[in-house]
Amino acid sequence: GENVEQHPSTLSVQEGDSAVIKCTYSDSASNYFPWYKQELGKGPQLIIDIRSNVGEKKDQRIAVTLNKTAKHFSLHITETQPEDSAVYFCAASKQGRRALTFGSGTRLQVQP
Amino acid sequence: DTAVSQTPKYLVTQMGNDKSIKCEQNLGHDTMYWYKQDSKKFLKIMFSYNNKELIINETVPNRFSPKSPDKAHLNLHINSLELGDSAVYFCASSQGSGRATEYFGPGTRLLVL
Repeated sequence: GENVEQHPSTLSVQEGDSAVIKCTYSDSASNYFPWYKQELGKGPQLIIDIRSNVGEKKDQRIAVTLNKTAKHFSLHITETQPEDSAVYFCAASKQGRRALTFGSGTRLQVQP
Repeated sequence: DTAVSQTPKYLVTQMGNDKSIKCEQNLGHDTMYWYKQDSKKFLKIMFSYNNKELIINETVPNRFSPKSPDKAHLNLHINSLELGDSAVYFCASSQGSGRATEYFGPGTRLLVL
């Protein structure tokens, strides 16, 4: 089955700096890679996703890059703000698989 | 509001009891899931239902049983609760599976004493 590894487990940045979270996956057939943000006391919420036919996708301050050859993908948050503080999860899946496989999460703390 | 909702939000109970968590989605999705999130925040899939058919069941004890009365609901029944069942349980839904975006409910925080 699929295995997704996520690093770092915790990340502390100053407000305004950039944050990068990295994930690797094991199944080369995986072709869907969403990122979720989980705020304290809430359920994970999708913030951005990428499919294997593109290498990069951007939405305002967040971007995701995908390297299928190396089987890794990354989340980039620019100009971080205190409200970006949360736990972020990467995930991977493919057509025919019945659910997402999640990484272990990254706790991001943005210091004001 | 269109969403995935769960009840109750908090559940505190004694070891050995039987409890249920309810989940409803009004997104018109055909697939629903239950995830368990432990104290280290790991998210593990427990079950998913597609058109009222159980299609995955990871290594979950048979004390846990999902029940889907219709496409919009997937309830989780837990028998003979154990201390190790304490966790946050999330319901989610999607249209299709595999490459589909999953939408999560707010979670049910279960504490077994």
